[in-house]
Amino acid sequence: DGGITQSPKYLFRKEGQNVTLSCEQNLNHDAMYWYRQDPGQGLRLIYYSQIVNDFQKGDIAEGYSVSREKKESFPLTVTSAQKNPTAFYLCASSIRSQPIYEQYFGPGTRLTVT
Amino acid sequence: DQQVKQNSPSLSVQEGRISILNCDYTNSMFDYFLWYKKYPAEGPTFLISISSIKDKNEDGRFTVFLNKSAKHLSLHIVPSQPGDSAVYFCAASSRSTLGRLYFGRGTQLTVWP
Repeated sequence: DGGITQSPKYLFRKEGQNVTLSCEQNLNHDAMYWYRQDPGQGLRLIYYSQIVNDFQKGDIAEGYSVSREKKESFPLTVTSAQKNPTAFYLCASSIRSQPIYEQYFGPGTRLTVT
Repeated sequence: DQQVKQNSPSLSVQEGRISILNCDYTNSMFDYFLWYKKYPAEGPTFLISISSIKDKNEDGRFTVFLNKSAKHLSLHIVPSQPGDSAVYFCAASSRSTLGRLYFGRGTQLTVWP
């Protein structure tokens, strides 16, 4: 089955630690995205990548980093510089980074930092 | 600044009746609009979209209407079913933003029997 995998579903970390969230897709999509959702908020774009070895900052990139070394993988690192890291993180992908191509979302990772 | 706004955080509708979810946007460059549906602790799933060259798009029980002059779109669900209970996100995009989606804050729809 084609789809997007995010692991783990729940992640707990101590404050001051970096943590990496996994996102893998086997849809052969070029574009991948990371969003963050907070209660009562919409989805906010953290980073996106149109193609392998290229990525751009979204609206809330501070305290996050990404890499895109393989087409199918787009891991997100939440660094200790992120002031409010506790949130629900969603990864998405689309065939191309054009509006007509819908984005497919993974199941999400809930990160709790204490 | 929120470029896509969903001013109603919640909507409650009886089964069988029409659900109307509203969305407003401020950026006149947006030319593609989408609705996503989301259940708790899951990723959103695509529901329906509309290009700015149209004013209506229909898919089964779901119809999206676009009023460009008012910068307003709405999603109609007829008839509403209990399984439609979820959070609905409106999103907008444009060619100039390379497919980036700008989301509203969502509307929680509850369909009761």
